[in-house]
Amino acid sequence: RKEVEQDPGPFNVPEGATVAFNCTYSNSASQSFFWYRQDCRKEPKLLMSVYSSGNEDGRFTAQLNRASQYISLLIRDSKLSDSATYLCVVNLAGNTPLVFGKGTRLSVIA
Amino acid sequence: DVKVTQSSRYLVKRTGEKVFLECVQDMDHENMFWYRQDPGLGLRLIYFSYDVKMKEKGDIPEGYSVSREKKERFSLILESASTNQTSMYLCASRPSGTPTYEQYFGPGTRLTVT
Repeated sequence: RKEVEQDPGPFNVPEGATVAFNCTYSNSASQSFFWYRQDCRKEPKLLMSVYSSGNEDGRFTAQLNRASQYISLLIRDSKLSDSATYLCVVNLAGNTPLVFGKGTRLSVIA
Repeated sequence: DVKVTQSSRYLVKRTGEKVFLECVQDMDHENMFWYRQDPGLGLRLIYFSYDVKMKEKGDIPEGYSVSREKKERFSLILESASTNQTSMYLCASRPSGTPTYEQYFGPGTRLTVT
């Protein structure tokens, strides 16, 4: 069983649309959760951490459901510049390597 | 501002050559990582290091070795490059301790082995 699973997409959405990605993780002992963004031919960069109570950063909202072991990312009012691959990332414990999903590709179309 | 730099953006090597990929970070991070990224396979961890002179195998260490003689520098070595090692190589660093710390990546080295 893969540790972090994501729908690879691509998700093709028009500008202004709301789009949601889900991700599931297999290890119930996982402690911390993140969404990273990777633009084409660039390195991944942290988009946001995901907290148990859910958190929002502008048009982006992240949710964590520990009981069902899934994480979500909601993007409202999509912009062309949101086109990227979104990586779901899980950390088991402080110094263990992060576990990356393979990513979900988003294309926002004018 | 955290910076992770990699010695080359693009590299072309011949089969059988010994290849060195260098990574330097300037934020005194204890943890450093080497990944390769291939279409459809995502990021795969090759090796990582928690401290100077320490190294741990990741998920795909075969054909690679690493060196960490100084805290800021983590080198990936391909002892005898093969065509199946053509890939994008990404170095990363992260502080130790709290699991919520951000991990920072270098810009990547696109290696082609012919």
